[in-house]
Order: sequence, then structure tokens, then C-alpha cells
Amino acid sequence: EAGVAQSPRYKIIEKRQSVAFWCNPISGHATLYWYQQILGQGPKLLIQFQNNGVVDDSQLPKDRFSAERLKGVDSTLKIQPAKLEDSAVYLCASSSGASTGELFFGEGSRLTVL
Amino acid sequence: AQSVTQLGSHVSVSEGALVLLRCNYSSSVPPYLFWYVQYPNQGLQLLLKYTSAATLVKGINGFEAEFKKSETSFHLTKPSAHMSDAAEYFCAVTMNSGGYQKVTFGTGTKLQVIP
Repeated sequence: EAGVAQSPRYKIIEKRQSVAFWCNPISGHATLYWYQQILGQGPKLLIQFQNNGVVDDSQLPKDRFSAERLKGVDSTLKIQPAKLEDSAVYLCASSSGASTGELFFGEGSRLTVL
Repeated sequence: AQSVTQLGSHVSVSEGALVLLRCNYSSSVPPYLFWYVQYPNQGLQLLLKYTSAATLVKGINGFEAEFKKSETSFHLTKPSAHMSDAAEYFCAVTMNSGGYQKVTFGTGTKLQVIP
């Protein structure tokens, strides 16, 4: 079974530029998550999709971050314009959606904003 | 509301010594509890989970955790540390909220294993 795929693995941009990250979850997983992990901290939920609908985006900085999940499968997370404090690893995860279900994580996309 | 507290952001043990990583949770409903491990430059992967069956849960790589409701704890242990256990460990609590799965992670504990 293929795991969660993310790209790119690494990205370096200058502040005020834009960047986009892509995630392909495990086939059949209804729930998709985007987490931000700043060095030395735990994952912080940015947005959670159930199929192609948003169920939680309370911690997404909506003035600069946006995300979509077209057709309930792949997802894209965009940052525009980027700030220095956006430097982090962006983790995508998927799950079946059951409360007892584990999350399956991709390897993450490391963003450095200069 | 639910939350997870991991005591100790860094833990060092000697190779062969007992590993104990602490996790306390807060949840308004019976929780489902998880431990995930993260190796450098990788995503998180499941170590073990508690889903209201046996209170002592065994996971991969010789790790286990015991759910103690009276102490609201779910500490992770391993009798003998290996060098390969060096990684960051995250405790997480999940619950069903409004028909969807809500997951809250702790801040993590970085385990160092000294040869």
C-alpha cells in the first residue's frame, strides 16, 4: 500500500514570495490533515478536511495561508506572502476518520524563508 | 476540550537502561491515546495506541504503555534502550467531535541514548 506522498521535500524562498505544497493521501482515506511543525515543537494543526470539505481551519492564518482538496483526494497548501516565521516542516497526514484510527504521515516538506 | 502534556522535552538514558516517557491527558470523554515516533527528517509513525480495550498496550520495537484513568496518564516505557530508539516521541489524544476525528498532539520528548 502506497503511503502519503508529499512534495517538494525541501524549499527555500525569500520572504514575501509564495510557495505551494502538494499532498497525496492514502487511497480511500476520507480525512486529510495539514500540520505545521516548527523546530523543537509538536505538530500544530493548520487545516483538516473530511472528504473535500473543511472541518477545522481555526488555526490557519487565513490572510496568508490557503488550502484546498479537490475531488476529496489530493490537497495543496499555499503560503502567500511568506514570512520568516513560516519556516517549518509542513506535514500532511491522512486517516480513515474513525476516532480509533491512526494518522499516516508523509515525510514532510521543509520550508526555509530567508 | 482535550489536551496532552508531555513532561520533559529531553530525556537521556544509557543504552540498556529503562526508558520512561511521560504523558498526561485531559479529555471530557473517554479518550483514545496514541504514541508516535519521529526519526530525523521523517514524518511521524505510529508506535502504539489505546482504544479502550486492554489498559496495557504493546507496540512496535519493544515499547509499551499503560493507560491509567485515575492518574490520567499514558506513559511510554521500554525495559532496555537501544541506540536506534533515539528519536522524538509524541503523545496524542483523539476524540470524535461533531462527527469528525479531532487529534491533539503533545509538544514531544526527544530521547537521547548514550552508549
